[in-house]
Amino acid sequence: QVQLQESGPGLVKPSQTLSLTCTVSGGSISTGGYYWSWLRQHPGTGLEWIGYSYYSGSPHYNPSFRSRAIISVDRSNNQFSLSLSSVTAADTAVYYCASHVVQGGLASPEYFHPWGQGTLVTVSS
Amino acid sequence: DIQMTQSPSSLSASVGDRVTITCRANQNINTYLNWYQKKPGKAPKLLIYAASSLQSGVPSRFSGSGSGTDFTLTISSLQPEDFATFYCQQSYRTPFTFGPGTTVDI
Repeated sequence: QVQLQESGPGLVKPSQTLSLTCTVSGGSISTGGYYWSWLRQHPGTGLEWIGYSYYSGSPHYNPSFRSRAIISVDRSNNQFSLSLSSVTAADTAVYYCASHVVQGGLASPEYFHPWGQGTLVTVSS
Repeated sequence: DIQMTQSPSSLSASVGDRVTITCRANQNINTYLNWYQKKPGKAPKLLIYAASSLQSGVPSRFSGSGSGTDFTLTISSLQPEDFATFYCQQSYRTPFTFGPGTTVDI
């Protein structure tokens, strides 16, 4: 069973770049039908999708993050990463990595499963 | 972006109660609607995908229905481990968006 685990600094200074890594275990990141995703949840509020990338590339971003977010896949280490530049206090949140599953076929279901446990990133000087 | 709303925002219930949560999209999303359960400090857990398909390993007391713009998550008999926040999410079009959540507590 695939499991995901986020890692990275818990504190980032304003204007700097937030960098997180998600390690995939129990399966290959190169498996078809999975889009490797990042999401976040601000304290006390709802969930927000940042973007995803297929194992071979072609990332797709939420327009709200397109100019600041970069998602990359490291197939050799079975990991994928998020870089979010020019962070402000508004980027303080719990960040989750997740697999966006596309079952395949016409009108196939798509959903996030599984998710990592999440990691809190605080933006503060 | 597709806007998702949920009602109620919170509800109080007892073990054994039947609980119904409603999710609405501001445009037709066919059956591209998923439900997740979130407990504090834990990862969101997929319960229902494609509006009515039960994720493997999820108890059968959870069910989903709806299509188009209106959807429902039902818990037929609430169990102690079900107290959590529930989110709907549309996968019809990017950016994928979530509802604001419904918290079920005692």
